Amino acid sequence: DSGVTQTPKHLITATGQRVTLRCSPRSGDLSVYWYQQSLDQGLQFLIQYYNGEERAKGNILERFSAQQFPDLHSELNLSSLELGDSALYFCASSVGGSNTEAFFGQGTRLTVV
Amino acid sequence: DAKTTQPNSMESNEEEPVHLPCNHSTISGTDYIHWYRQLPSQGPEYVIHGLTSNVNNRMASLAIAEDRKSSTLILHRATLRDAAVYYCIRENNNAGNMLTFGGGTRLMVKP
Repeated sequence: DSGVTQTPKHLITATGQRVTLRCSPRSGDLSVYWYQQSLDQGLQFLIQYYNGEERAKGNILERFSAQQFPDLHSELNLSSLELGDSALYFCASSVGGSNTEAFFGQGTRLTVV
Repeated sequence: DAKTTQPNSMESNEEEPVHLPCNHSTISGTDYIHWYRQLPSQGPEYVIHGLTSNVNNRMASLAIAEDRKSSTLILHRATLRDAAVYYCIRENNNAGNMLTFGGGTRLMVKP
């Protein structure tokens, strides 16, 4: 158990819909990262937050947004869903800064039908 | 560019050592090298990381070349449970310390 909790574990929704994925980081970790893993793209970095502020942005679509709340949990919002958004979405947390390890959750499997 | 280069796959026999290579020729002086692995149906798991010196922990050893352009993850005695995709990652200090995953090496362990 990494200490990072992601909910829900599975999500099935229709095209055009909007979903919210939730991540609770390990106790004490200030940094949260979101990754998308699809079969043909591997693990793609989406976005990182540190203590409530956006720190780095990767290949995140405009239809996707995220935020980190004062209690440090994070949410990833995916809207106008397309079939190609079907993937595993991982959240990771770390204390932040360099020379630290990241702990990954078990992921949310999103299926868009 | 946080690119690293790894072989797509490797095979090992159970209880033998495994050396997983990684090239990171464009690494800057302050970027750490991280290794993570992903077992089937699980999230990535931290293995080890280092900057310049060789590092050891309970899972593995990390040997970093003197010029830091390559590194090798060493599993001293492979077990069937070590079958996974191993990712060598250059931590990007200029972008919030994010970890950029490449394709990784799929390690297969034969009994």
